[in-house]
Amino acid sequence: EADIYQTPRYLVIGTGKKITLECSQTMGHDKMYWYQQDPGMELHLIHYSYGVNSTEKGDLSSESTVSRIRTEHFPLTLESARPSHTSQYLCASSSYSQEYHGYTFGSGTRLTVV
Amino acid sequence: QKEVEQNSGPLSVPEGAIASLNCTYSDRGSQSFFWYRQYSGKSPELIMFIYSNGDKEDGRFTAQLNKASQYVSLLIRDSQPSDSATYLCAVNMEVTGGGNKLTFGTGTQLKVEL
Repeated sequence: EADIYQTPRYLVIGTGKKITLECSQTMGHDKMYWYQQDPGMELHLIHYSYGVNSTEKGDLSSESTVSRIRTEHFPLTLESARPSHTSQYLCASSSYSQEYHGYTFGSGTRLTVV
Repeated sequence: QKEVEQNSGPLSVPEGAIASLNCTYSDRGSQSFFWYRQYSGKSPELIMFIYSNGDKEDGRFTAQLNKASQYVSLLIRDSQPSDSATYLCAVNMEVTGGGNKLTFGTGTQLKVEL
């Protein structure tokens, strides 16, 4: 049973549209992350947050933006989608526990921009 | 040099054999290490974590850590076709300004053949 939820699971959208990918977790985790992954390729961190009102850019430059108004919610927005944004987007979360820093991943959103 | 390095594979092993997956990392200060399994088109799933030098066993899986050599490995005993997936090594590293984040390797593709 997933404790971190991503919607939609699949999205096909036209160029120039604004989209928001949703991510919510019920574990009370302070830390949340967005990764981008092309098929068969490595994970790239694009955004992360250490708590409410905290957001940072990741290792890979991205035209997307994020917000963290509530602990459990970390949406990612693309103001104007382009075909180059076609990819899988994975959300993850973790706790500050010193004994365990593993991430729990959501099931992902596969985005196709046509 | 990448922060976390893995052989991309594919690593092919016969059913019932031991699969050995290897990972090296660059940050000597890293304290926790993780192995994730990712099936094609799915999100990563945490299967093992290890903090102390030596071996940690969980069912058919054994993680091995050698901090002096900056090396972590995953052994899968009695390999099954269902083990065929990409295995991601992840290392918890401190980031500038405080906090920490997982850095992922590119993954090793494992194929278990009948």
